[in-house]
Amino acid sequence: DQQVKQNSPSLSVQEGRISILNCDYTNSMFDYFLWYKKYPAEGPTFLISISSIKDKNEDGRFTVFLNKSAKHLSLHIVPSQPGDSAVYFCAASESDYKLSFGAGTTVTVRA
Amino acid sequence: NAGVTQTPKFQVLKTGQSMTLQCAQDMNHEYMSWYRQDPGMGLRLIHYSVGAGITDQGEVPNGYNVSRSTTEDFPLRLLSAAPSQTSVYFCASSSRPGTGLGYTFGSGTRLTVV
Repeated sequence: DQQVKQNSPSLSVQEGRISILNCDYTNSMFDYFLWYKKYPAEGPTFLISISSIKDKNEDGRFTVFLNKSAKHLSLHIVPSQPGDSAVYFCAASESDYKLSFGAGTTVTVRA
Repeated sequence: NAGVTQTPKFQVLKTGQSMTLQCAQDMNHEYMSWYRQDPGMGLRLIHYSVGAGITDQGEVPNGYNVSRSTTEDFPLRLLSAAPSQTSVYFCASSSRPGTGLGYTFGSGTRLTVV
């Protein structure tokens, strides 16, 4: 059973607007949460992370929010740019050697 | 360029054939892992290694073997390919596996079993 879930397989947003990607998890032992970005025919690349002791982490246009009580995290991209069109994977770790991934959300940024 | 190199990029196998997917990294990372990506399933961990001579199973290990004789290489072997193993395979290495940070992925091997 998947411990990390991304229930929206796709998201379309206009250039310059905000993209909000959501992720839910079931394992309360996760203590690191991450977002990876993937372009076609390439491997995933690390985007941003957050520790379970924080509720927000910001890096330029990307902000990740963590709500531990709801077991929910989200990624905000502001403003969205054409180069942001990609598949975004939510991932989580229990500080062991196993990184669990969600199914991914395909983001399309429209001009 | 430093990174994770996977070969081949594409492969078609017949059911029952065997093959080895190659993975090499030049970053001196102790941790290496194999994932498969399937539609609607995300990336699922097959096997991982925390150093030469040490391997362990991930979430979906059945049908796959691994070994780690050097720090640089972590090959994935399919002993008898099945159509259910049609997938895109990614190898990754990391300097900080416990945090999920520092993962470097290869560009993937797209495998089709007919």
